[in-house]
Amino acid sequence: GQQVQQSPASLVLQEGENAELQCNFSTSLNSMQWFYQRPGGSLVSLFYNPSGTKQSGRLTSTTVIKERRSSLHISSSQTTDSGTYLCAMDLASSGSWQLIFGSGTQLTVMP
Amino acid sequence: DPKIIQKPKYLVAVTGSEKILICEQYLGHNAMYWYRQSAKKPLEFMFSYSYQKLMDNQTASSRFQPQSSKKNHLDLQITALKPDDSATYFCASSQEREGNERLFFGHGTKLSVL
Repeated sequence: GQQVQQSPASLVLQEGENAELQCNFSTSLNSMQWFYQRPGGSLVSLFYNPSGTKQSGRLTSTTVIKERRSSLHISSSQTTDSGTYLCAMDLASSGSWQLIFGSGTQLTVMP
Repeated sequence: DPKIIQKPKYLVAVTGSEKILICEQYLGHNAMYWYRQSAKKPLEFMFSYSYQKLMDNQTASSRFQPQSSKKNHLDLQITALKPDDSATYFCASSQEREGNERLFFGHGTKLSVL
């Protein structure tokens, strides 16, 4: 089975609503990252979050490594937030990144 | 102004041919990677290089060969192309991990094998 499970698979919001995206990992991990994939395909790093809570503008990531889960909260969503949100776990503790990605949550924010 | 340049953006090839995907990064990073995203599949790790040396290889097929001629270059040569190789190939880079370094991606090369 998949090592990284993301939910929901898709989500439709009205502009201004909040969103909570979940990521669960089937194995122990050292750290994880959240990415945003634009409709055109390019990926943007949102958070490197091995544990705890991190915030950047309207985005908040919370990771509980012992429980093998992470969440991404988007507040006051905007149409420009539409795209795919990917979480990825890393099994290594040093050296280069070898990320295992989830299938993503496809977010659509309606005006 | 993209800091990780991938060329070409789109590539069409015939089965059995050979292609090279180009990647250059101008972020000053010492680690570079290739990832692949096939239709309806998660993004998949292929290779990682650090200081121009292979670190990890998750690609079973020897048809995929990374080539690093310079510290900031990591090209991907694919031989004997098959239709199943059709995917978007992403190059990425980072500082070799010492703390909070993140992974940065290029815009991808979309390969279609006919």
